[in-house]
Amino acid sequence: AQSVSQHNHHVILSEAASLELGCNYSYGGTVNLFWYVQYPGQHLQLLLKYFSGDPLVKGIKGFEAEFIKSKFSFNLRKPSVQWSDTAEYFCAVTTNSGYSTLTFGKGTMLLVSP
Amino acid sequence: NAGVTQTPKFRILKIGQSMTLQCTQDMNHNYMYWYRQDPGMGLKLIYYSVGAGITDKGEVPNGYNVSRSTTEDFPLRLELAAPSQTSVYFCASSSGLAPYEQYFGPGTRLTVT
Repeated sequence: AQSVSQHNHHVILSEAASLELGCNYSYGGTVNLFWYVQYPGQHLQLLLKYFSGDPLVKGIKGFEAEFIKSKFSFNLRKPSVQWSDTAEYFCAVTTNSGYSTLTFGKGTMLLVSP
Repeated sequence: NAGVTQTPKFRILKIGQSMTLQCTQDMNHNYMYWYRQDPGMGLKLIYYSVGAGITDKGEVPNGYNVSRSTTEDFPLRLELAAPSQTSVYFCASSSGLAPYEQYFGPGTRLTVT
């Protein structure tokens, strides 16, 4: 079965700082990767996803992520964060085998101070 | 489209009580899911369904039951509530399994005391 590890549980940044949130997965076969965001008091929304092709994926709100197969990683990046990016971020993985369902990481809480 | 809706938003249960969390989607999705979210633990899959009449266990099914009689509805039943079931419950739906995007409802915050 697949698993997901997110390196940081909490990250605190000032506005305009650059962001990189780590995500590693364990699975030997083909994977599909997602980043979801949960703003305070709201439900999860999809930020971006990788299925195949260009390993650099661009999502909404200026976020991007790079799939590095050799490192089993799918790190989320944003060049300049805003106060409104304060949220919890979840990396998730699913595979193409059978009835594969989404496996989530434990999440990273990002706090951006104005 | 309303997307995925859940009721109630909040509920407090006493130990041993039972309740049903409702989930409805209007996107004609075949696949529906129930997750629980605990602080610092991410989301854990409780049950999922690939169509009306077909359900299967996820990672943490103990203490829960589901049914899927229609495409739109996927209720989650807690029979004998326990404090360990205090959590936020999210329902989701998708048009397919991997790698399709899942759409989430607003959640139900349940406290068992």
